[in-house]
Amino acid sequence: DGGITQSPKYLFRKEGQNVTLSCEQNLNHDAMYWYRQDPGQGLRLIYYSQIVNDFQKGDIAEGYSVSREKKESFPLTVTSAQKNPTAFYLCASSQHDRGGYTFGSGTRLTVV
Amino acid sequence: AQSVTQLGSHVSVSEGALVLLRCNYSSSVPPYLFWYVQYPNQGLQLLLKYTSAATLVKGINGFEAEFKKSETSFHLTKPSAHMSDAAEYFCAVRINTGTASKLTFGTGTRLQVTL
Repeated sequence: DGGITQSPKYLFRKEGQNVTLSCEQNLNHDAMYWYRQDPGQGLRLIYYSQIVNDFQKGDIAEGYSVSREKKESFPLTVTSAQKNPTAFYLCASSQHDRGGYTFGSGTRLTVV
Repeated sequence: AQSVTQLGSHVSVSEGALVLLRCNYSSSVPPYLFWYVQYPNQGLQLLLKYTSAATLVKGINGFEAEFKKSETSFHLTKPSAHMSDAAEYFCAVRINTGTASKLTFGTGTRLQVTL
């Protein structure tokens, strides 16, 4: 079945370390997105990519980086510059039409 | 700019009672509107979507929503709540800007279902 796979489901990071969250989709969707979710704040867009080798900053891109070298993959790196990285991270994909997004099951990142 | 506002961060209903989750949108162009459901520690699942066809949209799990342009609303309803409906619900509007197309989400409403 087609879908989006995020890994790992749980991730622990020490302060000062970079960490990369994986997102892979086999839906042949052109666009991919990264959201951060914090209690009471809904979903906030970090980065998005409409096409391979191109991506744009979302509303809260500071302290994060992404790459889009393949259509299927859109990894997110949480850098040491991100001051408050503990959150639930959601990856999504979509086509360029009226449809909604398909979401992965998320990665919960905790800084220890 | 397009946005959505969800009224009520927490809603509690008794099992078997009507579920009503409110969403108002702001958009300068005809919007595409969505409702998603999220269970704990999971991703979001699409419940239903409005894309300028019928104003009453039926979704999964017995939910439906009605697009009311005059009220700029897209409220989610279910005639009879079930314990399994307890989750967080997000309303979203899709922004189309040329080749870019992004969803903007509301802050969510947590639905509690009691016996």
